[in-house]
Amino acid sequence: SQQGEEDPQALSIQEGENATMNCSYKTSINNLQWYRQNSGRGLVHLILIRSNEREKHSGRLRVTLDTSKKSSSLLITASRAADTASYFCATATDSWGKLQFGAGTQVVVTP
Amino acid sequence: GAVVSQHPSRVICKSGTSVKIECRSLDFQATTMFWYRQFPKQSLMLMATSNEGSKATYEQGVEKDKFLINHASLTLSTLTVTSAHPEDSSFYICSARLKTSNQPQHFGDGTRLSIL
Repeated sequence: SQQGEEDPQALSIQEGENATMNCSYKTSINNLQWYRQNSGRGLVHLILIRSNEREKHSGRLRVTLDTSKKSSSLLITASRAADTASYFCATATDSWGKLQFGAGTQVVVTP
Repeated sequence: GAVVSQHPSRVICKSGTSVKIECRSLDFQATTMFWYRQFPKQSLMLMATSNEGSKATYEQGVEKDKFLINHASLTLSTLTVTSAHPEDSSFYICSARLKTSNQPQHFGDGTRLSIL
C-alpha cells in the first residue's frame, strides 16, 4: 500500500520558475527519498533525507522534512525543460530499506 | 557508480508464455534487490524483496508461483512471469541497494511487458 501522498498531482510551469511539490506520510520513517522518472524509464535518485535531518540541498534541489507533521517538500529552483518528469517521494521504514512510494507529481516545464 | 542494468527493455509475447527479466548490479554488490510493478500514470507497487541466497519475500496479494524470483548471486536477480496472461502486461522495474542502511535504491530502466 502507498504510504505517501503527494500534491499537486500535476504541475505545469515555465522555464525559470520554481516548482514545489509536497509529500505526506503516515508512519515513522528511517529516511525519505525523492526520485525522478522520465516517461517509460526507471527512477533516478535525487535526494535522501534522514529522519533526524530537516533540510538538504543538491544543486537546484532543496528538500525539507518535518517529522512532526509527517511531511516533506521538494523545491526545484530555476526550472528547465529537462526537469519535465514525474517526481516521487518514498519512505523507508524498515531495516531492509523497503520503500513505499507516493502517487507522484507530474511536472511539465515549458520553454 | 551504482549502475543497475535491466534486460530486456521490451517484451511482446503470446498468452501462456513464461518471460524472464534480469536485473544486474554492474559495479556493486547488492545483497537486496527489489521488484516493482507500475501501471500507466500510477506509482510503483512493490512486488517482492529479493535476498541473495534465500527465498524472496513477497508483498501481500502477489502470487509467488506466478512471479518467480531468483537471486543467485550478489549481482543478479531474475523475475520470471510464468504463463503470462494479458492482465500481466505492465511495466516491471527492479532496484538494488547497497548493503549499508540509509542508502538509496538504484533502479534499472524497466521492462515493458505486453502479453497478446
